[in-house]
Amino acid sequence: QVQLVQSGAEVKKPGASVKVSCKASGYNFTMYYVHWVRQAPGQGLEWMGVINPAGGSTTYAQKFQGRVTMTRDTSTSTVYMELSSLRSEDTAVYYCVFGGGFDPWGQGTLVTVSS
Amino acid sequence: ENVLTQSPGTLSLSPGERATLSCRASQSVSSSYLAWYQQKPGQAPRLLIYGASSRATGIPDRFSGSGSGTDFTLTISRLEPEDFAVYYCQQYGSSPYTFGQGTKLEIK
Repeated sequence: QVQLVQSGAEVKKPGASVKVSCKASGYNFTMYYVHWVRQAPGQGLEWMGVINPAGGSTTYAQKFQGRVTMTRDTSTSTVYMELSSLRSEDTAVYYCVFGGGFDPWGQGTLVTVSS
Repeated sequence: ENVLTQSPGTLSLSPGERATLSCRASQSVSSSYLAWYQQKPGQAPRLLIYGASSRATGIPDRFSGSGSGTDFTLTISRLEPEDFAVYYCQQYGSSPYTFGQGTKLEIK
């Protein structure tokens, strides 16, 4: 079955970058897009962007343009989301989501930005 | 971007009652690419409905979705104790794939 397993929690200082990984299994990695969604504490869901693992093309939400980079490693069936110039408002749980129907979701990675 | 507005913000009902949740889009959602999710505290969202009215795998038939264009509804026919959670709608017809702000379904 499709499974997405994310890397562990991170604590970063303002201005730093964070790179979250999402390892896929149970399907042909290059056949389905992978999305990234985040959720700040007590808040709703926010779509950040999507990557096509086949060719590596990406589409980002305008809000994150210039700060987010999504990449993939086909040899390990892993996608990455890197967010730079972190600020306190970026404290959130970051999820990767299987693009073949927005289900399943990874377990989430808590990124805390604090000085 | 297509802004989704969910109502009500909070819905207080008792087990066994019927729940009706609304999601209104600022622009028509192409091809009814509208999904509903359930989220419980500390958990990732769970897909309930896709394509506005198709139940995802393993979702009980007390959950149903309807609507088209800009107005969509999630109905839970008879609430079970495990249904009390936060519900989100999402449109995936045009980028950015926006979410509604959520409806909290709480026990009355």
